Amino acid sequence: DTGVSQDPRHKITKRGQNVTFRCDPISEHNRLYWYRQTLGQGPEFLTYFQNEAQLEKSRLLSDRFSAERPKGSFSTLEIQRTEQGDSAMYLCASSPGDRGFAEQYFGPGTRLTVT
Amino acid sequence: QKEVEQNSGPLSVPEGAIASLNCTYSDRGSQSFFWYRQYSGKSPELIMFIYSNGDKEDGRFTAQLNKASQYVSLLIRDSQPSDSATYLCAVNMFTGGSYIPTFGRGTSLIVHP
Repeated sequence: DTGVSQDPRHKITKRGQNVTFRCDPISEHNRLYWYRQTLGQGPEFLTYFQNEAQLEKSRLLSDRFSAERPKGSFSTLEIQRTEQGDSAMYLCASSPGDRGFAEQYFGPGTRLTVT
Repeated sequence: QKEVEQNSGPLSVPEGAIASLNCTYSDRGSQSFFWYRQYSGKSPELIMFIYSNGDKEDGRFTAQLNKASQYVSLLIRDSQPSDSATYLCAVNMFTGGSYIPTFGRGTSLIVHP
């Protein structure tokens, strides 16, 4: 399977705990994006990487969120001190090319529930 | 605030009819436009992308782009119950540093037998 994969698929955590999600993009894709999606809304952009460089972060992104893409391959998204408002589907997508015009391919998502 | 607007629906059409889904966007400089299908509880799946004014056809799907009117649409011919899903419009908008995909809220489509 050469699609985008994400792990875990589901995560239940208690408020105040830290969580980390992993995304493995399509191997030849340079760009990797993270989104958050809540019920009834479209995906909301969080951040993206061009190879290993993090080029843009949403101004709405709290300092509790951090992402890495070491060596330009897989990426991790960490949420520190989780809050109930962080409960959402976290989506990763990868995209070919380097100019931001190309289509994106999504992984299956990680559903986070904060209790 | 750069936005992508979609009617949330639901849009209900009978099986075999043409479903027409519409999207408007605020950034006149946008260069690329996408339609995704999302089944309940699943992640978005790319259906089509379009870069130039006019129509682009792929099987039962046709994307239409009018940059002057800042309008993009998706037509689904011979609609099937399996087409029942939420359809997301996405537009790559320039934010000052990069082109960033901005999604609408999606239109719920119901195809009834």
